[in-house]
Amino acid sequence: AQSVSQHNHHVILSEAASLELGCNYSYGGTVNLFWYVQYPGQHLQLLLKYFSGDPLVKGIKGFEAEFIKSKFSFNLRKPSVQWSDTAEYFCAVMKFSGGYNKLIFGAGTRLAVHP
Amino acid sequence: NAGVTQTPKFQVLKTGQSMTLQCAQDMNHEYMSWYRQDPGMGLRLIHYSVGAGITDQGEVPNGYNVSRSTTEDFPLRLLSAAPSQTSVYFCASSYAGFNTEAFFGQGTRLTVV
Repeated sequence: AQSVSQHNHHVILSEAASLELGCNYSYGGTVNLFWYVQYPGQHLQLLLKYFSGDPLVKGIKGFEAEFIKSKFSFNLRKPSVQWSDTAEYFCAVMKFSGGYNKLIFGAGTRLAVHP
Repeated sequence: NAGVTQTPKFQVLKTGQSMTLQCAQDMNHEYMSWYRQDPGMGLRLIHYSVGAGITDQGEVPNGYNVSRSTTEDFPLRLLSAAPSQTSVYFCASSYAGFNTEAFFGQGTRLTVV
């Protein structure tokens, strides 16, 4: 079945550690790719997006993601995490299908950063 | 700018009760959708609409109804609430074309007892 897979459900890091969260999708053709963040008790906020062009995209708060078309991947990275990065992170794929652009989410990765 | 506004923020229902979750956007977006968020399952699409008068089912539509009489509003109705519908509900809107991003409301936390 077509899906969006996030490899890690829970990640625990110390401050200043590097972060990489994996995301793979199984949709063929043209897609738009997103990473959203949800801080505790809050709504979804867009971290970054990829539509076309440079496969390395930079988002807010020092996050970046790399689109590798051959691997159907869109991994999220941050060189040095902070305690304030504690949140849940969602990868999402927008697929144009049947006249509509559907946004499909992965299951999420819960990140805990310890001081 | 209001963006996407959802009401109420919290709601407790008894099994069998009905209610409507409200969603309104002021960005003139054609596309609106409802998701539910459950632990370990991400956000799953319930229903969506590409314009006034046009709605369709998403991944988990059972137990929910929607209608879209105006561009701005996209209410989600629970006709007979069940404990399995305890969840956090998010409304989103976007332009209908490709290369667009979705904007989300603040969410409604619903508990069915």
